Amino acid sequence: DAGVTQSPTHLIKTRGQHVTLRCSPISGHKSVSWYQQVLGQGPQFIFQYYEKEERGRGNFPDRFSARQFPNYSSELNVNALLLGDSALYLCASSLGPLSGNTIYFGEGSWLTVV
Amino acid sequence: AQSVTQLGSHVSVSEGALVLLRCNYSSSVPPYLFWYVQYPNQGLQLLLKYTTGATLVKGINGFEAEFKKSETSFHLTKPSAHMSDAAEYFCAVSVRDSGGGADGLTFGKGTHLIIQP
Repeated sequence: DAGVTQSPTHLIKTRGQHVTLRCSPISGHKSVSWYQQVLGQGPQFIFQYYEKEERGRGNFPDRFSARQFPNYSSELNVNALLLGDSALYLCASSLGPLSGNTIYFGEGSWLTVV
Repeated sequence: AQSVTQLGSHVSVSEGALVLLRCNYSSSVPPYLFWYVQYPNQGLQLLLKYTTGATLVKGINGFEAEFKKSETSFHLTKPSAHMSDAAEYFCAVSVRDSGGGADGLTFGKGTHLIIQP
């Protein structure tokens, strides 16, 4: 079975631009979360979506937004990119939103802002 | 809010030696605890997790961890290190649902495990 898939794997953007990252969860998983991992740090929670509704949001500015589609795939959007947004963006899926559920991570999208 | 502290950004052990990676957490409510491993240029893979029940948790690849509530610790161990264990290891905590929103996983800064031949 396919795991969590993310696209694109690598991309370079210019400051001020907008980026959209995409994620397909494991088949049967209805919850998708997004994390930002800056080089040398642990991942930081950005959003969790379940059944197309936002269930949780981390401490990120409004430039970050996301949505979940009826097929449970998800997009993360970042507007007005800053150099500090350069990071590995990880998507994760789980069966449901409960905290004890095992969360499975994709391999991430590497974003470089220049 | 919960937090995780991983002692030692780098740990070096000899092949065949005991691996011990330390993790302490802070949480106002009973936590769920996780260890993930990240190989270079890859995503995170779950090694093991503690939710309820037995405090000694066994995971994949010979790793295990023990939840000690009195010490607020969840240290990761492996009796005999293998070269393939070289990677970045992350401890993470989440809190039990309060029926409201989700806070996601809170990760430590990671420990880079180096295996010397």
